[in-house]
Amino acid sequence: DGGITQSPKYLFRKEGQNVTLSCEQNLNHDAMYWYRQDPGQGLRLIYYSQIVNDFQKGDIAEGYSVSREKKESFPLTVTSAQKNPTAFYLCASRDSGPYNEQFFGPGTRLTVL
Amino acid sequence: SQKIEQNSEALNIQEGKTATLTCNYTNYSPAYLQWYRQDPGRGPVFLLLIRENEKEKRKERLKVTFDTTLKQSLFHITASQPADSATYLCALPGGGFKTIFGAGTRLFVKA
Repeated sequence: DGGITQSPKYLFRKEGQNVTLSCEQNLNHDAMYWYRQDPGQGLRLIYYSQIVNDFQKGDIAEGYSVSREKKESFPLTVTSAQKNPTAFYLCASRDSGPYNEQFFGPGTRLTVL
Repeated sequence: SQKIEQNSEALNIQEGKTATLTCNYTNYSPAYLQWYRQDPGRGPVFLLLIRENEKEKRKERLKVTFDTTLKQSLFHITASQPADSATYLCALPGGGFKTIFGAGTRLFVKA
């Protein structure tokens, strides 16, 4: 069954702690993305990666970090520098080439207490 | 800068009617436009893509139009059902591998 998995579904952390969100895909897609979604708002791009060992900042990268050591994996670390980390985080992937849609994972809801 | 606008107010319609959602964009000439469906607490799912040289695209009960002069896309669901209740997102290419998403419009279909 091809797709994108994110774990965990729900995550609780204390303020000041770093936390890493997992994202794995078996679609053999080159590009992967991390978005943040807040209530009533659209998807905001945090980081994206077009190929292994390369990634670029999106619109709201401050306080976040990523790595892309394997094609199928793109973990996101929410650091203590992120001022308001409580949100719904979505990972996506996309095949290269024009007109291709993004495939999304089920999301991780992070709550910082 | 590029901007996408979708009606932030929820759309409430009766089962069996046609739902019409609007997506407007500014400062942009996209080569294509996409529509996604998102259910509460889940990731968006791709529905349809329409290219700039296509006026209309259909898929089962879904129909999308793309007016590059008005800078607008309309998304129609005919014979709507309660199962169609969800948030529908409009998306445009953001340059390179990026995609820009609208905030979405919430649709409620009452039985």
